Amino acid sequence: DQQVKQNSPSLSVQEGRISILNCDYTNSMFDYFLWYKKYPAEGPTFLISISSIKDKNEDGRFTVFLNKSAKHLSLHIVPSQPGDSAVYFCAASLMDSNYQLIWGAGTKLIIKP
Amino acid sequence: GAVVSQHPSRVICKSGTSVKIECRSLDFQATTMFWYRQFPKQSLMLMATSNEGSKATYEQGVEKDKFLINHASLTLSTLTVTSAHPEDSSFYICSARDTRGSGNTIYFGEGSWLTVV
Repeated sequence: DQQVKQNSPSLSVQEGRISILNCDYTNSMFDYFLWYKKYPAEGPTFLISISSIKDKNEDGRFTVFLNKSAKHLSLHIVPSQPGDSAVYFCAASLMDSNYQLIWGAGTKLIIKP
Repeated sequence: GAVVSQHPSRVICKSGTSVKIECRSLDFQATTMFWYRQFPKQSLMLMATSNEGSKATYEQGVEKDKFLINHASLTLSTLTVTSAHPEDSSFYICSARDTRGSGNTIYFGEGSWLTVV
């Protein structure tokens, strides 16, 4: 049973436009959510996170929105740049599980010039 | 710069031998580190949770005698693949939890490509 779902395997966005990556989860006990970016043959790079007590967190071009009632979070990248092309993973964690990460399957973002 | 360093980045070993991969937290102490494996075109699969000073907790289906984990200090965890076979060839990634301040961000190492020939 997938507790964290990224239903879009890929997303193509024009350079300069907004990229919106979505993530849904089923466990209402998750208390921390993170987004990672991953290039092939490299470890994931932390992008941004959000605690379950907040509904928005912003860092430069990256903003994460959390809708707890819908069990949904999204990552917005504005403006999108060619270097943003990568696979983006959504992850959730539980304090009680020692913050072990539960991963989504990832969304491949392609930024078109 | 990197806050978690993994070494080696690439290693080739002969079938039947053992290989050790190191994971270091560079500027913070990590009581908890995680080891993942990634198969081609798949998400990261958690293998085990490494706790400093105690035995690692392995996920279901992961052989603890084959994948030995040692977390002897607050900045170093090692994964040893014993008696490696070609099917163990994979991309192995470690992560460490940074508990400084109010955060609990998990940072990842660069990953290690293991090829067993």
